[in-house]
Amino acid sequence: GAGVSQSPSNKVTEKGKDVELRCDPISGHTALYWYRQSLGQGLEFLIYFQGNSAPDKSGLPSDRFSAERTGGSVSTLTIQRTQQEDSAVYLCASSLTQAGTGELFFGEGSRLTVL
Amino acid sequence: GQQLNQSPQSMFIQEGEDVSMNCTSSSIFNTWLWYKQDPGEGPVLLIALYKAGELTSNGRLTAQFGITRKDSFLNISASIPSDVGIYFCAGTDAGNNRKLIWGLGTSLAVNP
Repeated sequence: GAGVSQSPSNKVTEKGKDVELRCDPISGHTALYWYRQSLGQGLEFLIYFQGNSAPDKSGLPSDRFSAERTGGSVSTLTIQRTQQEDSAVYLCASSLTQAGTGELFFGEGSRLTVL
Repeated sequence: GQQLNQSPQSMFIQEGEDVSMNCTSSSIFNTWLWYKQDPGEGPVLLIALYKAGELTSNGRLTAQFGITRKDSFLNISASIPSDVGIYFCAGTDAGNNRKLIWGLGTSLAVNP
């Protein structure tokens, strides 16, 4: 499709398990973002990739969270040893250029539930 | 981290009414953006503003970039049921153009 694609759309896991969330950005978009949205809350920035530059990891809440972007395209967000407070919708967004324009295109999100 | 002050937090209106919401920041912004999020979806960009004083319309939506560069508003005229959703403001701080700062959203409910 032409939009940002995220998978899985829903993930239920047990506390302590690892999870991987995938994002396929729009083709040609050099910038990719991960956000977390808890129920009824705004968007919490997690990590930002721009081309071949070192990612901005300043929003990752703990060292259990990591992300990589392979070949400047697909990105995977990994949460190790999940905790109940990790339950949220994880949104991926891509942008044609650096964030200065701010015109991000979002996927539908991956809803994570940690039991 | 830094957040924008967005108000009101929620609104419940009758179909046909006009709606106004706004965002303020403590620092000068280079960009103001307004997004709408439908249930189960990611936010979608409605209007982007790049210059102080800029007034931009998109159908029944109108948004302005405040001349102080510290605020923006979004108006919706003649609301309809499909306007229901959460509206987010976002912007880029003049001191850090790489990162979007987000408001906490305005939840809009429209009574048909």
